[in-house]
Amino acid sequence: AQSVTQPDIHITVSEGASLELRCNYSYGATPYLFWYVQSPGQGLQLLLKYFSGDTLVQGIKGFEAEFKRSQSSFNLRKPSVHWSDAAEYFCAVGASTGNQFYFGTGTSLTVIP
Amino acid sequence: GAVVSQHPSWVICKSGTSVKIECRSLDFQATTMFWYRQFPKQSLMLMATSNEGSKATYEQGVEKDKFLINHASLTLSTLTVTSAHPEDSSFYICSAAPQGGALHFGNGTRLTVT
Repeated sequence: AQSVTQPDIHITVSEGASLELRCNYSYGATPYLFWYVQSPGQGLQLLLKYFSGDTLVQGIKGFEAEFKRSQSSFNLRKPSVHWSDAAEYFCAVGASTGNQFYFGTGTSLTVIP
Repeated sequence: GAVVSQHPSWVICKSGTSVKIECRSLDFQATTMFWYRQFPKQSLMLMATSNEGSKATYEQGVEKDKFLINHASLTLSTLTVTSAHPEDSSFYICSAAPQGGALHFGNGTRLTVT
């Protein structure tokens, strides 16, 4: 069955510290992987995506993610977190066209000064 | 980049009335659009897939007569919540993807039914 697991419901980090958000997936075919960010009361913004090629992908706002097929993981990282990064982060897997999209339950990020 | 516009961003309506939410792809054509519902502090739940020129495909458990979807053009899909009740209050989000691209989401519509 297709699924996405984000093990951490909530993470708190200090501003300036590094960040890693975990994502594990189960998908029958070659996965397309995505990270989205949602600010309160807003829609989802695409941070980055992996379709093929280099397994380390760069996204917007200084985020990056690494696809590890052997671990079925696609963890999101940022070297130095800013207070404005506080939001909900969703990992997703599926076809690029969306009709087989599966979202994780999200990780809420709090940034403390 | 691809932009999906959703309107209105919030709406308050009385119980028993109907509310229409629009979703537009601004710089690409979308034969398919998706409607999601999000409960507080939860992930997105796919409600239905909107298909241009044909009937929408609803997920199991979603009432098609309550949530009417129309995809009249390649850039516009509408979701109408009919005879709304307080339990329909939620955050509704649409999405679409350009050909070969990733899904892009609208900013969502906060519906409150009083």
